[in-house]
Amino acid sequence: NAGVTQTPKFQVLKTGQSMTLQCAQDMNHEYMSWYRQDPGMGLRLIHYSVGAGITDQGEVPNGYNVSRSTTEDFPLRLLSAAPSQTSVYFCASSTDRGRRAFFGQGTRLTVV
Amino acid sequence: ILNVEQSPQSLHVQEGDSTNFTCSFPSSNFYALHWYRWETAKSPEALFVMTLNGDEKKKGRISATLNTKEGYSYLYIKGSQPEDSATYLCAPRYTDKLIFGTGTRLQVFP
Repeated sequence: NAGVTQTPKFQVLKTGQSMTLQCAQDMNHEYMSWYRQDPGMGLRLIHYSVGAGITDQGEVPNGYNVSRSTTEDFPLRLLSAAPSQTSVYFCASSTDRGRRAFFGQGTRLTVV
Repeated sequence: ILNVEQSPQSLHVQEGDSTNFTCSFPSSNFYALHWYRWETAKSPEALFVMTLNGDEKKKGRISATLNTKEGYSYLYIKGSQPEDSATYLCAPRYTDKLIFGTGTRLQVFP
């Protein structure tokens, strides 16, 4: 029973590099979302998806792209990493808008 | 920008004390209010999902109330234990967005 799986757990990038943070869930959840967590800022919503083929912007979408080609996967892409994107990233999923969210274990990203 | 406020930011209590935290949020167009418990080095885990009928929720020593009209919720912990030490997050859901507050960090000393 894997739940929500994020990879990698840790990553160091150089400024300007690109990378994709992976998120997969095996619970057949329609709703998936990405958050970043910074000290004193709580969890801020980056992008979210209400189902395969549908994505939308959250509170802090700039510098990130997402896609949702399958129900299971919701990757987050950093096209040109900046030091301001140093953060811990969490992926979450839920069955629908009224249900609780399940979180992955997080990806700690450092951009130098 | 939706402003979800939690108070206090942090709280230190002795084992056995009862405590409560506040979450306030814009009340228009919200569908539900979530509470999560977040332990250090782990991921947030759901405590309660409270819907628009404003019902009180209870789970062991932890309970929560919701005022849907004025946009606030209280989380109560009765007889705090060291294992209750964590950050407690509230998150109102607006349509398809779950927006989190900055949390209340609780430390319970034996």
